[in-house]
Amino acid sequence: GAGVSQSPSNKVTEKGKDVELRCDPISGHTALYWYRQRLGQGLEFLIYFQGNSAPDKSGLPSDRFSAERTGESVSTLTIQRTQQEDSAVYLCASSLGTSGSHEQFFGPGTRLTVL
Amino acid sequence: GDSVTQMEGPVTLSEEAFLTINCTYTATGYPSLFWYVQYPGEGLQLLLKATKADDKGSNKGFEATYRKETTSFHLEKGSVQVSDSAVYFCALSHPGNNRKLIWGLGTSLAVNP
Repeated sequence: GAGVSQSPSNKVTEKGKDVELRCDPISGHTALYWYRQRLGQGLEFLIYFQGNSAPDKSGLPSDRFSAERTGESVSTLTIQRTQQEDSAVYLCASSLGTSGSHEQFFGPGTRLTVL
Repeated sequence: GDSVTQMEGPVTLSEEAFLTINCTYTATGYPSLFWYVQYPGEGLQLLLKATKADDKGSNKGFEATYRKETTSFHLEKGSVQVSDSAVYFCALSHPGNNRKLIWGLGTSLAVNP
């Protein structure tokens, strides 16, 4: 594929519902990152995957947030029992790895609105 | 912890004006420094980067120099165009920290014809 894709592009949900966000990284990219951007705030790191290594979950804000990645392909970010403060744009990025140019390529994001 | 501070916007300029967007950072060791840009309706894309002190990143007429002594990475362009209107983000990463990006809040730039 041409670039990082994310789905859905927009998601409106009710407080307390679970949501699942999807990221398809660039083929061959071993590293995958999730970030979020809340209104009026900078981007925050959430979680990082690199190959078969244990993910770096240090940015997840609560145990309601979890993410999985199948090998070096698709990743899903799940938010359980959504709260209004979870409303944000969730961005996925992939890179060839953490060595070399390590440029991160970003998807268009998923805008999540929790009513 | 590491942090990035960039000047608040919005910044409004006339076409062909000189642009400076200030960015300073706090970090241990020697991070890599980046400027990302988000054009209206588009995703984030890397504009330029520098990986060590005194390096100058450049792209599309934009430049930024990695200044270790002042912990700065200011973005400059000598003559802006309407098409440069976008939100600009300064960020840093460490190779020892999985290269996750630490971000500034972003600076919105509007260039008027």
